[in-house]
Amino acid sequence: TQLLEQSPQFLSIQEGENLTVYCNSSSVFSSLQWYRQEPGEGPVLLVTVVTGGEVKKLKRLTFQFGDARKDSSLHITAAQPGDTGLYLCAGHKAAGNKLTFGGGTRVLVKP
Amino acid sequence: DVKVTQSSRYLVKRTGEKVFLECVQDMDHENMFWYRQDPGLGLRLIYFSYDVKMKEKGDIPEGYSVSREKKERFSLILESASTNQTSMYLCASSLFGTTRGEKLFFGSGTQLSVL
Repeated sequence: TQLLEQSPQFLSIQEGENLTVYCNSSSVFSSLQWYRQEPGEGPVLLVTVVTGGEVKKLKRLTFQFGDARKDSSLHITAAQPGDTGLYLCAGHKAAGNKLTFGGGTRVLVKP
Repeated sequence: DVKVTQSSRYLVKRTGEKVFLECVQDMDHENMFWYRQDPGLGLRLIYFSYDVKMKEKGDIPEGYSVSREKKERFSLILESASTNQTSMYLCASSLFGTTRGEKLFFGSGTQLSVL
């Protein structure tokens, strides 16, 4: 069982539709990050959230950190083919120097 | 922008071989990391280093070792490769540790196949 569970594992939608990806845990994290990984490349950081209840927007992407800092969501509005990729959440606990990654959600946006 | 370069994009090795995966970063970062990525499992930390010649075990260090002789270079060593080490290996660096909010910069990965 992973510390961070992402759902769904795979999502296929048409261009223009909305989608939400979830990242859940029973543990509390001091911060949570979202990365996107495109084929043949390493993950690239999209956002970091550190405060319970925090909402951050990056163009059509909206990120939310749960009030209890145990979960997060990523919502994409009017998805475009360029949003296709593997979305990974990663959490850091208050103690220690490790970042724990979720299993990832593979998103395919069809034109 | 930070550049993290992994020496090989694809590598095919035989069971029992000693394998070296090399990673170089160009931004004078203190910390470097090795992860392996398997479908559905996300990224799992193998080893990390917070200074030259310093290393710490991650979550899955068994079967691996690392070397950091220079600040910019972090090597992952498979002493005797096994088929269950077939995976995508990702190197990353950060200016400080992965403390709250610290950003990781990743290389493009090395897809290792052990036959």
